[in-house]
Amino acid sequence: DQQVKQNSPSLSVQEGRISILNCDYTNSMFDYFLWYKKYPAEGPTFLISISSIKDKNEDGRFTVFLNKSAKHLSLHIVPSQPGDSAVYFCAASPTHTGANSKLTFGKGITLSVRP
Amino acid sequence: DVKVTQSSRYLVKRTGEKVFLECVQDMDHENMFWYRQDPGLGLRLIYFSYDVKMKEKGDIPEGYSVSREKKERFSLILESASTNQTSMYLCASSRTGGYYGYTFGSGTRLTVV
Repeated sequence: DQQVKQNSPSLSVQEGRISILNCDYTNSMFDYFLWYKKYPAEGPTFLISISSIKDKNEDGRFTVFLNKSAKHLSLHIVPSQPGDSAVYFCAASPTHTGANSKLTFGKGITLSVRP
Repeated sequence: DVKVTQSSRYLVKRTGEKVFLECVQDMDHENMFWYRQDPGLGLRLIYFSYDVKMKEKGDIPEGYSVSREKKERFSLILESASTNQTSMYLCASSRTGGYYGYTFGSGTRLTVV
């Protein structure tokens, strides 16, 4: 059973426009969410995160929105650039302070930004 | 600059060979993880470790084993490589407690022929 779902496998947008990447989760214990970006032949790199006490977190061109009641989060990239073309993974973590700090990842979405 | 280092970027091995993938982190992280990434399947957890000499199975441990003899090093072992283990293998580490994400290595593209 997939606890973190990225239902769209791919997204194509024009350079300069907004990219909106969606992610849904089912586990109500999740309260920390992250987005990772991955280029081919490289490891994923951390992009932005949000905890459940917030509904928005912004970092430059990247903004993550969290709707806890809908168990939904989204990553907005404005404006989109060709260098943003990559696979984006949504990940979630439950409330805890122990050793079991395991992230649950979605399957990823491939973003293509057309020049 | 803190990092997770995977010993090889590309490997080609023959079916039936025993394969070792090495991962070293310099951040004194307690937790280490091995994932594989395949198109359409995302990141799938193979094994993880919370401490030296401790290991736990992830979602797809069959055909793999791991070793963690030192805190900074986590090895993935393919006991008898098969073609369906051709994949991108990613190592990651994280701190225990609180809200911490993972730091990933650059990955090893393994091809089993």
